[in-house]
Parts: sequence; C-alpha cells; structure tokens
Amino acid sequence: DSGVTQTPKHLITATGQRVTLRCSPRSGDLSVYWYQQSLDQGLQFLIQYYNGEERAKGNILERFSAQQFPDLHSELNLSSLELGDSALYFCASSVGQNEQFFGPGTRLTVL
Amino acid sequence: AQSVSQHNHHVILSEAASLELGCNYSYGGTVNLFWYVQYPGQHLQLLLKYFSGDPLVKGIKGFEAEFIKSKFSFNLRKPSVQWSDTAEYFCAVIGAGKSTFGDGTTLTVKP
Repeated sequence: DSGVTQTPKHLITATGQRVTLRCSPRSGDLSVYWYQQSLDQGLQFLIQYYNGEERAKGNILERFSAQQFPDLHSELNLSSLELGDSALYFCASSVGQNEQFFGPGTRLTVL
Repeated sequence: AQSVSQHNHHVILSEAASLELGCNYSYGGTVNLFWYVQYPGQHLQLLLKYFSGDPLVKGIKGFEAEFIKSKFSFNLRKPSVQWSDTAEYFCAVIGAGKSTFGDGTTLTVKP
C-alpha cells in the first residue's frame, strides 16, 4: 500500500459524458501527478500540481482538467468523453522531485 | 524537451538468466532518475532511484542500475531473474519538476 488512494476503482460511462476522478496523496506530500495508461500509448504524464498550483503540464487534452484543493486532494475532470479515453488513470504523489508513490488507479471504460 | 527511450519493448528470458534493460534520456539539466516496476494488475512501484553520488545504485529485489552521464543512460540490471520478476518496467526522469516515463519494457520470465 503506497498511501495514495484513488476513487472510484472502476468507472463505466458513455461517450459524451463527464466524470471526475479523485486522488488523495500520501500524508505530507505536496505534489500530485496524474497519468493515463493505455495499451496503445503507454504511460502518459498528464499534469502535476504542487500545493494547489499547477506545476507542469504534459499531454493533457483540453477536454481534461484538474485541480488540487487546500487539503491537497486532487480531482481530474474528463469531459466530452470519447471511446479512446478508456484507460487506467493513475495518481501519484511525492515530496518535491523525489520518487513518486502511485495509487491503485481508476479504470475508466467509455462505451 | 525531455524524453526517455527504452530500447526493448518486450524481453523474454529463462529463469536464472541475466537481465539488462536499456534506458536513455535527453535533458540538458540536472535530472533525477528512476526505475519503476508494474506487476500484472498492480500499480507502479519504485525499484530504485538515482539523484547524485555513486552512479551504481542498488534497489529492491536484487536490481541495480548504473548512471552513465556521458551516455545519458540509466540501464537496469539483475544478475539472475526469477519467474516472479515478470512485469513491466518503466524508466523515468524528473527534471525541472516535469516527469517523463519511457514506454516501458515487458519482461516475461519463463520457469
């Protein structure tokens, strides 16, 4: 158990819908990262937050957004969902640029 | 731009064989280097990391990696693999707050 929690574990929805994925980092970790893992694209870094502020951006689509709240939990919002958005979404947390601890992931299926 | 290249997409070995997985990165500044492992159906876990100092780092489960600055490489090694090492292995770089993962190498160890 890494100490990072993610909810829900599984999510099944339809195209065009919007979903919110939630992540709680390890106690004391100020950085939260979001990743998308799919069979065809591998592990893609989406976005990083540090203490509530956006720190770095990766291959995140405009339909996707994230935020980190004062209690340091983070949410990833995915809208206008497409079939190709089906993937595992991982959250990770870290102290500074130290190693990242990954959560169990949310498996999103878009039908 | 920061990038990570893992040379082998899929490696198949017999038990007791030696393992070396290649990883090269490109980034002009100071980086922190990591190897993560993802066992089937699980989240990513840290195998080892390099920040500074001795370029030969030892991780968990008998893995080690060598940082060669002149070659921008951070190859992962294990002298004798076991069936339980079957997993996907990711090399990662963190520089200037941005994390980049390689595409991963799937290792299959035959008993």
